[in-house]
Amino acid sequence: DAGVIQSPRHEVTEMGQEVTLRCKPISGHDYLFWYRQTMMRGLELLIYFNNNVPIDDSGMPEDRFSAKMPNASFSTLKIQPSEPRDSAVYFCASSKTGTGGGGYTFGSGTRLTVV
Amino acid sequence: KQEVTQIPAALSVPEGENLVLNCSFTDSAIYNLQWFRQDPGKGLTSLLLIQSSQREQTSGRLNASLDKSSGRSTLYIAASQPGDSATYLCAGNTGFQKLVFGTGTRLLVSP
Repeated sequence: DAGVIQSPRHEVTEMGQEVTLRCKPISGHDYLFWYRQTMMRGLELLIYFNNNVPIDDSGMPEDRFSAKMPNASFSTLKIQPSEPRDSAVYFCASSKTGTGGGGYTFGSGTRLTVV
Repeated sequence: KQEVTQIPAALSVPEGENLVLNCSFTDSAIYNLQWFRQDPGKGLTSLLLIQSSQREQTSGRLNASLDKSSGRSTLYIAASQPGDSATYLCAGNTGFQKLVFGTGTRLLVSP
């Protein structure tokens, strides 16, 4: 199993540009999570999906952020327009129903820098 | 709202020492408590999961305990090695598949 795959690993963009982060969860996992990690705020849950349906997006900071999961094997997190304060590491994770923490597998993250 | 605190924020020890990392949470209505390890520039690796009905879990040199009544969990690392150097994060799950993370303990084990 290749684990949770995120792309790109690094992204540098100019303020105002659109940024799209991608995630492929582990096959068979029915939950998908997007987290953001910064030095100041640590790890924050942005949004999570169950069976491709968004369940809780209360962590999405602003309307500039949007996430989709068109099928069980792909999800995107989009920021439009991007701002310097969006600079962070964005992690995707997946899990199976009912296993909670034990089933969580994290990707290697996308390091986003907005200049 | 669940809040998770980790103490100490950083720890430096010589190789071979036994050490304890602490995690406290504000909401005792916790479904499970998980410990992760994060290496620089990497994702999170799950170490141990303690379900609400359990009091501890062990894996090799690692032992994690959970005391819901006091809102605390500890991670015990026996005979520390330089390869244990990383940031250790605890996370509480209140039953809605959402993990709330602590701020982490940065561990450095010197040869």
